[in-house]
Amino acid sequence: DAGVIQSPRHEVTEMGQEVTLRCKPISGHDYLFWYRQTMMRGLELLIYFNNNVPIDDSGMPEDRFSAKMPNASFSTLKIQPSEPRDSAVYFCASSLDTAGYADTQYFGPGTRLTVL
Amino acid sequence: GENVEQHPSTLSVQEGDSAVIKCTYSDSASNYFPWYKQELGKGPQLIIDIRSNVGEKKDQRIAVTLNKTAKHFSLHITETQPEDSAVYFCAASLSGGYQKVTFGTGTKLQVIP
Repeated sequence: DAGVIQSPRHEVTEMGQEVTLRCKPISGHDYLFWYRQTMMRGLELLIYFNNNVPIDDSGMPEDRFSAKMPNASFSTLKIQPSEPRDSAVYFCASSLDTAGYADTQYFGPGTRLTVL
Repeated sequence: GENVEQHPSTLSVQEGDSAVIKCTYSDSASNYFPWYKQELGKGPQLIIDIRSNVGEKKDQRIAVTLNKTAKHFSLHITETQPEDSAVYFCAASLSGGYQKVTFGTGTKLQVIP
């Protein structure tokens, strides 16, 4: 398996622009997670999906952030409009549902976002 | 919600020495405790995990211990090697079918050759 695929790997944009980050989870995984990593705040869970349905979006910082999962093999995280404080590395991860137990999360390589 | 504290934030050891990273969690319902290693420019990768029905687990040079009463767990790396240099994250998750995992703040381990 190719693992979790994220694109783009790097994104540089100007304040006010729309940014779309993409993720392809591992085939067959039931859960998909979006995380943000910064030096100041560490690794933060933004939102996660189970079988394409958003379960918990309490970590989404504000309305400028939105996430979708139109099918089992694709998810997007959108920031509109972007701000310099959104600069971070964004990770997507996926995992299997193992009979009610949390299971290993497999992380993608991340997208490094810089908002100027 | 769950709160995970991790110490130390940085750790330097000589090659061949042992390294210990400690974490505490707040929710007694948590039953799954994974440890992730993040190398520069990469996403975190699971290196070992432990469930609440076990007190200790080993995998070659890596071991994890869990004390449910005290709500703390630790990662032990023996005979450290330069390739062990990375950031290590502990994590805890709630039981009952949830997949939400709360991460600690990370420990940057440097192994000096």
